[in-house]
Amino acid sequence: AQSVTQLDSHVSVSEGTPVLLRCNYSSSYSPSLFWYVQHPNKGLQLLLKYTSAATLVKGINGFEAEFKKSETSFHLTKPSAHMSDAAEYFCVVSDLVIDYGGSQGNLIFGKGTKLSVKP
Amino acid sequence: DAGITQSPRHKVTETGTPVTLRCHQTENHRYMYWYRQDPGHGLRLIHYSYGVKDTDKGEVSDGYSVSRSKTEDFLLTLESATSSQTSVYFCAISGFVEEQYFGPGTRLTVT
Repeated sequence: AQSVTQLDSHVSVSEGTPVLLRCNYSSSYSPSLFWYVQHPNKGLQLLLKYTSAATLVKGINGFEAEFKKSETSFHLTKPSAHMSDAAEYFCVVSDLVIDYGGSQGNLIFGKGTKLSVKP
Repeated sequence: DAGITQSPRHKVTETGTPVTLRCHQTENHRYMYWYRQDPGHGLRLIHYSYGVKDTDKGEVSDGYSVSRSKTEDFLLTLESATSSQTSVYFCAISGFVEEQYFGPGTRLTVT
């Protein structure tokens, strides 16, 4: 079964410094991986996704993530943090399900990393 | 943003009462999902639907039922609400790809 572990529950950075949010996954096959962001009292927004194409994935708002199969990692990075990046970030692996209509993915969420950005 | 609405957005109810949450989409997507979000747990799948009248259980389905009589609507019912079901509930939709799009959430408090 697929699983995902976010290694830090809370990360604090200063504005203008790099961001690193760490995620390790467990999967018995080549997984699809995602990062979602949730701003306070909001729904979840897809930041980026990896689906076995390029291992370096670029997302919205300057974020990117690198898929490393040898390390089973999918860490999220951004070169320079902005105050508006303060939010909770979820690493997600897709648990592929085959049903009568074909295949689709049930998402398995990590427990989240809360990012704080100091002025 | 994907056309997903949830109603109500906030609800306070008493233990033992039935509660129904509604998810409505305008994207004509085949798949719809209900999740609950609790601190320290991320999101956990309750039920999902892969078509009209076709549903299946997720990780935390006990105490919940769902129905989907139209493509655009997916209902989540708590037959007899308990305090452990106090949570934020999210609906999500997807087409033929794995990425899901989430609604704004419903905050449910069971007293």
